[in-house]
Amino acid sequence: QKEVEQNSGPLSVPEGAIASLNCTYSDRGSQSFFWYRQYSGKSPELIMSIYSNGDKEDGRFTAQLNKASQYVSLLIRDSQPSDSATYLCAKEGGGNKLTFGTGTQLKVEL
Amino acid sequence: DAGITQSPRHKVTETGTPVTLRCHQTENHRYMYWYRQDPGHGLRLIHYSYGVKDTDKGEVSDGYSVSRSKTEDFLLTLESATSSQTSVYFCAISGTYGRSTYEQYFGPGTRLTVT
Repeated sequence: QKEVEQNSGPLSVPEGAIASLNCTYSDRGSQSFFWYRQYSGKSPELIMSIYSNGDKEDGRFTAQLNKASQYVSLLIRDSQPSDSATYLCAKEGGGNKLTFGTGTQLKVEL
Repeated sequence: DAGITQSPRHKVTETGTPVTLRCHQTENHRYMYWYRQDPGHGLRLIHYSYGVKDTDKGEVSDGYSVSRSKTEDFLLTLESATSSQTSVYFCAISGTYGRSTYEQYFGPGTRLTVT
C-alpha cells in the first residue's frame, strides 16, 4: 500500500461547480498534510496546509482532514478553468520530509 | 516567490557523463531538498539537507550525490548519467520564518534528458 494515495483522474467538473479531490494515507501517526497545485510544465505550488481534524477554509479552497479515517480532501468551490491542474496531496514523513501522492488531474470545463 | 532558482533549466547530456544541477536560495532557509518527478511516480525525494554540510538520503538516492558547502547553494550531481535519470528535477526549501518547517516551496525545475 502506498503511503499516500490519490485517484489519478482526470476529474472533470463544469465551471462553477464544486470540485472534490481526495487523498488517503497509510500512517495513522501522520499529523500534517498539504495540498499542492501544479500546472502543466510548472513547479508545485503550496495552496493549503492542514494540521488538525476538521475543515480549513481559504478563499474558494477548503481542506478537510479526518485522522480517524485517514483521509484528507480538498474542495474547490466555484471552479474556474484556471483551476485546471494536477493537485498533489502530501503528508509529513518525519525529519522535515514530505511524502507525495501521484496527483489528481482536474479539468474544469466551460 | 521563495527566492529559489535552479540552473540550468534545461540540459541534454550523454550517457556516462557527469552532470551537476544547482539550487540557489536567497532567504537563508535551513532545509533544502532535491526531488525528481516522473509520470506515474509523482515527486520522489532524492536527497535533502538540514544545514551546511548536513545531508541525508531520500528514497531514490542511488546514482546521485549532493553537497551543501554554504547555506544558499545545494548541488545535485549525477556521477555518470544514465537514461533512467532522464526526468524533471525540482529543488525545494523549507524553514521559512513564521511557517512550519514542513511547508516546502519549490524552485522552477530542471528538465534533464540523458541520451
